[in-house]
Amino acid sequence: SAVISQKPSRDICQRGTSLTIQCQVDSQVTMMFWYRQQPGQSLTLIATANQGSEATYESGFVIDKFPISRPNLTFSTLTVSNMSPEDSSIYLCSVEYRREPQETQYFGPGTRLLVL
Amino acid sequence: AQSVSQHNHHVILSEAASLELGCNYSYGGTVNLFWYVQYPGQHLQLLLKYFSGDPLVKGIKGFEAEFIKSKFSFNLRKPSVQWSDTAEYFCAVTAYSSASKIIFGSGTRLSIRP
Repeated sequence: SAVISQKPSRDICQRGTSLTIQCQVDSQVTMMFWYRQQPGQSLTLIATANQGSEATYESGFVIDKFPISRPNLTFSTLTVSNMSPEDSSIYLCSVEYRREPQETQYFGPGTRLLVL
Repeated sequence: AQSVSQHNHHVILSEAASLELGCNYSYGGTVNLFWYVQYPGQHLQLLLKYFSGDPLVKGIKGFEAEFIKSKFSFNLRKPSVQWSDTAEYFCAVTAYSSASKIIFGSGTRLSIRP
């Protein structure tokens, strides 16, 4: 599988600030997604990052809190806005590849966020 | 709504023991099924997947899973575990009609005693 990288790998932020997380893939992908994994819990889909248009958000997640960009087929950003301690989590991007005939998602290493 | 249940939250085994991790899903239509593994300090990796065909699927590192449609189950098995299998295991489902939207189970933490 191709290489998926995320920056930063971890960060500690103050309440009320915002953090932008980057996801870079080394080849073109059809789909990119953003997930959250809260401490001790499973993964929850935040949104699908659509290239050239607004992201598609899941129930409970809104654009004002989690703005997403996807300017091309290999890059996306997720911003966690106006952070509170409840946003402390691991944020992961995942991708589906154009060359794969079946929808299979591959995950990046994640960004571990702690909000004080 | 779709859901995935992993009833074993933490499993502790000795090396060479056999492993079976349960996974049940709720959805009446066609599904795609996955097992992902997260080793300590590493990112989530695909272990195996089922889309169609032979319900017994073989994955990496000697793991296999069996899709039993009548039981809505996709249990993960390994005949003889190793210490290096210590990890968190996630079962996941996508409904054919929802394409890429993955629903994850809560995960099972597997600890192997050397």
